Amino acid sequence: AQKITQTQPGMFVQEKEAVTLDCTYDTSDPSYGLFWYKQPSSGEMIFLIYQGSYDQQNATEGRYSLNFQKARKSANLVISASQLGDSAMYFCAMREGDSGYALNFGKGTSLLVTP
Amino acid sequence: GAVVSQHPSWVICKSGTSVKIECRSLDFQATTMFWYRQFPKQSLMLMATSNEGSKATYEQGVEKDKFLINHASLTLSTLTVTSAHPEDSSFYICSARDPRLAGSGEQFFGPGTRLTVL
Repeated sequence: AQKITQTQPGMFVQEKEAVTLDCTYDTSDPSYGLFWYKQPSSGEMIFLIYQGSYDQQNATEGRYSLNFQKARKSANLVISASQLGDSAMYFCAMREGDSGYALNFGKGTSLLVTP
Repeated sequence: GAVVSQHPSWVICKSGTSVKIECRSLDFQATTMFWYRQFPKQSLMLMATSNEGSKATYEQGVEKDKFLINHASLTLSTLTVTSAHPEDSSFYICSARDPRLAGSGEQFFGPGTRLTVL
C-alpha cells in the first residue's frame, strides 16, 4: 500500500503567489517524521522542511511552511511568495519509527512558477 | 548542513560491464547510508540500507548479487552494479543521516549518479 500520496502530478503558480502542495500519509507507528524535498532538473535532493509526529506546532522554514493535520494524516507544503527558481519537482517523504530508518517517498509534484 | 558526495556524477558503460558508485559523507561519520534508485519522472525507491561493518539490508525485489553494497568505513559506502544491462540505466542517489543532529533524522542526499548502459 502506498504510504505517501501526492495527488497533484503538476501544479502551476504565478510568481509572488502562494501555492499548496498536497501530501497524505499512512502509518500506524505513533512516531514518525515527515519531510519535504525539492528536486530541480539537476537531480539533487534539497531538504526543505521537517515535521515530527509529536511536534505541536506547524514547521516553518523561511517561505516554506508545513500544514500538519495529524487527524487527517496530511502534511501539505505551503510555499509563499513563489519565485521562478521554485520550479522543480517536490517530494513528500516519511520516516517511520526511530531516526535510523529510510524514507518512503511520494510520487512527487511538478511545480512550474510562471512570470 | 552536512555534505554527502557521490562519484561519478554520470557514467556510460557497455552492457555486461560492472560499475562502482561511491558515496561519501564529507564532514560527519555515517553508520548508516541509504541507496535509492530513481527512474525518469518517477519517485525515489529505496534499494538498500548500508550498514558500516555489516551486510546491507536489501529491499524486496532488489537483487543483492547484482547490486553489491560495501560500507567499509564510517564515511564511505559503495554500490557496484554488476553485469549492467540497459534496464539498469537509472539515477542512483545515496543519503546519510548525520547522527549529530538529534530528533529529525534528516537525511542528506548526495548529488546522484546517472548511469546509462548501452
